[in-house]
Amino acid sequence: DGGITQSPKYLFRKEGQNVTLSCEQNLNHDAMYWYRQDPGQGLRLIYYSQIVNDFQKGDIAEGYSVSREKKESFPLTVTSAQKNPTAFYLCASRDPPLSNQPQHFGDGTRLSIL
Amino acid sequence: GQQLNQSPQSMFIQEGEDVSMNCTSSSIFNTWLWYKQDPGEGPVLLIALYKAGELTSNGRLTAQFGITRKDSFLNISASIPSDVGIYFCAGPSDRGSTLGRLYFGRGTQLTVWP
Repeated sequence: DGGITQSPKYLFRKEGQNVTLSCEQNLNHDAMYWYRQDPGQGLRLIYYSQIVNDFQKGDIAEGYSVSREKKESFPLTVTSAQKNPTAFYLCASRDPPLSNQPQHFGDGTRLSIL
Repeated sequence: GQQLNQSPQSMFIQEGEDVSMNCTSSSIFNTWLWYKQDPGEGPVLLIALYKAGELTSNGRLTAQFGITRKDSFLNISASIPSDVGIYFCAGPSDRGSTLGRLYFGRGTQLTVWP
């Protein structure tokens, strides 16, 4: 089935550690997005990519990094510089990238601090 | 970024009741989207609206694109327990370097009592 796969479902981070969240899509979509969700806060945009080898910062990019080396993959690294990383992280994709077509979401990764 | 104001923040209703929620913006959107998020999962698109004044239904759900293009409404008729979740409104940017990114409301948490 076509869709967006996020892994792992649950992830635990130790202090000072970088962790990488995976997002893979087989929808052949050009645009991909990462959001952070905290209770009562809605979805906040971290990074997005309109096309392979290109990405832009969203509203809360500090402490995060991304890469877009392949069309189907958009991994998010939560670095040790992110002091409050505990949240639910959602990946989304869309095609075509420069239209008003809706984004489709994965099922999320819940990150917690040990 | 653009701000979407969604209300109410939460609703507690009895099974069988109708539900209304709305979303307003300080600026114009050319598309309005409504998503539902079940606990621990990613948002799923319910309804997409592309024309001012448009009224669109999806089963027991009805959404409207406001004439001013600065608001949208979602109604759920005869609620059932599986309607429980968080409902989000969203609008895409159609200008400049932010083209394609979505702006989200903070969500309406719906609880349905049997």
